[in-house]
Formats: sequence, structure tokens, C-alpha cells
Amino acid sequence: DAGVIQSPRHEVTEMGQEVTLRCKPISGHNSLFWYRQTMMRGLELLIYFNNNVPIDDSGMPEDRFSAKMPNASFSTLKIQPSEPRDSAVYFCASTIWGGPGELFFGEGSRLTVL
Amino acid sequence: AQTVTQSQPEMSVQEAETVTLSCTYDTSESDYYLFWYKQPPSRQMILVIRQEAYKQQNATENRFSVNFQKAAKSFSLKISDSQLGDAAMYFCAYRWGNEKLTFGTGTRLTIIP
Repeated sequence: DAGVIQSPRHEVTEMGQEVTLRCKPISGHNSLFWYRQTMMRGLELLIYFNNNVPIDDSGMPEDRFSAKMPNASFSTLKIQPSEPRDSAVYFCASTIWGGPGELFFGEGSRLTVL
Repeated sequence: AQTVTQSQPEMSVQEAETVTLSCTYDTSESDYYLFWYKQPPSRQMILVIRQEAYKQQNATENRFSVNFQKAAKSFSLKISDSQLGDAAMYFCAYRWGNEKLTFGTGTRLTIIP
């Protein structure tokens, strides 16, 4: 069975450029989470969706970040314009709303902003 | 707000020995989930073990077991017969209902051959 699929795995860009990270959740999962991992702040939740609707976006750092989930099988996290402090590993995770509780993670997208 | 604390930034253990990683958490809820995730150098987050708070029995998965002390809000992970492949960052995590997963800061485990 396919797990959570994220792309790209690595992205190097220059400050000011737009970055789009993509996620395909596990088929049948209806909750999707975006996390960011840095050495300084650890793993922090950015936003999560249930049935394609954003439930909690309080972790989105600022207006430069936006996330969408146009359908049950696809989500994007966009940063525009990007800044060096956005450099991190971004994880997408999915689960079943009301299910056993654990989140299933993708392999992460490592973003480096120069 | 729920918090998860891992007080051991680094641990090491001799191969084939047993090691215990500590975790404490703070919550006012009575029914929740606790997890241990493993993150090897490949950076994939892998679920090691889960525990439902309403269950008194400690969860076990092969060489991995937990000591869940609900009143003390403690959730430690014991790894028996440590193997080289167990070397990784280990994160303790808490989840209430359908809310987010809250992570601790992690413990880096080194296995000494």
C-alpha cells in the first residue's frame, strides 16, 4: 500500500522565490496535517484539514504561508516569498478522523532557501 | 495547553542491552493517545508504539514496550536487546481526540557495537 507521498524531497531556492510543496495522503484518510521540523523549534504543526476543510491554521507563521486541499487526495503548502528562515523539513501526515489516533507521515520535503 | 517533555537529549546503550527513554506530559484530559515515533537518519517518522490512556495494560511491540503511569503523566519507552538499527531520534507524542499531535523535543539514541 502506498504511504503518504510528498514532493519534492529536496528543494533549493533563492530568497524571494515561490515554493510549493505537495502531498498525497493515504487513500481513505480524511485528515491531513502539515508539520515543520527545525533544530531550533522541533516539530511544529502548521495547519490541519478535515474532509478538505482547514480546522486549525494557528501554526502558520505568517501571510507568506498558505495551504490548500482542493480534494481528498491532494494538498499543497505554498511559501511566497520565501526567506532563509523558512529552511526546514516539511512533513505531511494523514489519518482517519475519529480513528485509532496515529498519524502516518510522508518522507518530508527538505527546503533550503539561500 | 498540552505539553510533552523529554528530558534526555541523548542516550547511548551497548548493543544487545536494554535502554529506557523518558517522557512526561501535561494534560487535563482523561482520554487521549500517547505515541513513540522513531526518526532515523533517513528522516522518515516511523510509529514505534501507541498507548490509549483508558487502557491500563502497557503496550508492547516485540522488543519495544512502554511503562505508562497515568497518574504521574509518565510514558517511558523500553527497548530490549538493542540493535544497531535502533539508532535514531525518538519522539514522544500526545494526541487528544482528533486534534494535532504534540511532540516532545526528542532523544537521540546511539547504539554502541
